[in-house]
Amino acid sequence: GNSVTQMEGPVTLSEEAFLTINCTYTATGYPSLFWYVQYPGEGLQLLLKATKADDKGSNKGFEATYRKETTSFHLEKGSVQVSDSAVYFCALAGTNAGNNRKLIWGLGTSLAVNP
Amino acid sequence: KAGVTQTPRYLIKTRGQQVTLSCSPISGHRSVSWYQQTPGQGLQFLFEYFSETQRNKGNFPGRFSGRQFSNSRSEMNVSTLELGDSALYLCASTQRGASSTDTQYFGPGTRLTVL
Repeated sequence: GNSVTQMEGPVTLSEEAFLTINCTYTATGYPSLFWYVQYPGEGLQLLLKATKADDKGSNKGFEATYRKETTSFHLEKGSVQVSDSAVYFCALAGTNAGNNRKLIWGLGTSLAVNP
Repeated sequence: KAGVTQTPRYLIKTRGQQVTLSCSPISGHRSVSWYQQTPGQGLQFLFEYFSETQRNKGNFPGRFSGRQFSNSRSEMNVSTLELGDSALYLCASTQRGASSTDTQYFGPGTRLTVL
């Protein structure tokens, strides 16, 4: 079945450091891939998404490229800020009619950015 | 446009009781999905409703049930509560709910504690 593997945290960085959070997936066909973020005390928010191979999703300085050959969707940001401290979740939605709205999630990576 | 709302935000129950959680989707959204979030298991899909019909179901026991009303509001019910049901229950709405590319918008969640 479909699955998502996400690097474990917590990740602690200094402000302006480069961020990479690894995400790989197992799925049949071409799933849609998502990064969601959960700020402390808040609900999940979509950060970015990519719906086909080689697509790059981007938002708020974050980027992730859908790599079919390596089944990966790594999240990157060139210069993190304290306000980026949150938990980041990688997720996929399958392509079969029965499961295309059922998000499969990674376990989340907690990011703490120090000033 | 108002976001997804969930009520109540916090609940404390004892083992054996039952509980009903409510979710109001974004206006115009017809699909509502429910997820359970726990530290050990992460985010797991419970079920999805569209036009008052359950379209998809996760691997949870029959104690977990849901329904959707004609105004797209949804409720989930957990009967005979167990300690392991303590979790954050998240609701997400989708405008069309027809494709894996559709973005799911999440509410803040209901924190259920079972004593």
